[in-house]
Amino acid sequence: AQSVTQPDIHITVSEGASLELRCNYSYGATPYLFWYVQSPGQGLQLLLKYFSGDTLVQGIKGFEAEFKRSQSSFNLRKPSVHWSDAAEYFCAVGEQYGGSQGNLIFGKGTKLSVKP
Amino acid sequence: DVKVTQSSRYLVKRTGEKVFLECVQDMDHENMFWYRQDPGLGLRLIYFSYDVKMKEKGDIPEGYSVSREKKERFSLILESASTNQTSMYLCASSIPGQGGQPQHFGDGTRLSIL
Repeated sequence: AQSVTQPDIHITVSEGASLELRCNYSYGATPYLFWYVQSPGQGLQLLLKYFSGDTLVQGIKGFEAEFKRSQSSFNLRKPSVHWSDAAEYFCAVGEQYGGSQGNLIFGKGTKLSVKP
Repeated sequence: DVKVTQSSRYLVKRTGEKVFLECVQDMDHENMFWYRQDPGLGLRLIYFSYDVKMKEKGDIPEGYSVSREKKERFSLILESASTNQTSMYLCASSIPGQGGQPQHFGDGTRLSIL
């Protein structure tokens, strides 16, 4: 069965520092991959998605992610973190079987704290 | 922009009550989803629907039912609420597509069962 692993439950970075959030997926073929962000008390907002093509994808709020097939990874990066980036981040993979028409499988999330 | 609206941000109900959570989307999406979110467990899929009057069980359907009488509206029903159903509930919608499509989420309903 497909799965998504976010190894880090909680990460703290200083404002202005770079950020990398890890995501690993299990699936044989090229998956559709997504990163979402959830601010406290809010729903999830799509940051970026990868369907095919260039393995480095740009998203909103200055985020980018790189698809690495050899490592089954889709890590999220930002060169300089702002205090407003403090939130929970979810990686997701599109479900791949005959009957699926758009389901996503989510990781358990990584909570990001930002130190002043 | 797609808008997914959940009828209540906060809701407090009593054990044994029948509880309705409503979700409306304005982009004519075929797919709609209900998740519950608990700390450390991420998002867990309760039910989803590919079309009007169609529904499919997700990973944790026990204790819940759904209704989709109109394309834009997807209701989650707690038949007899219990304290272990206290949680954040998230509704989402998307277009259909093999391999997954971006889902658009509402702001969530934080439900407390006393």
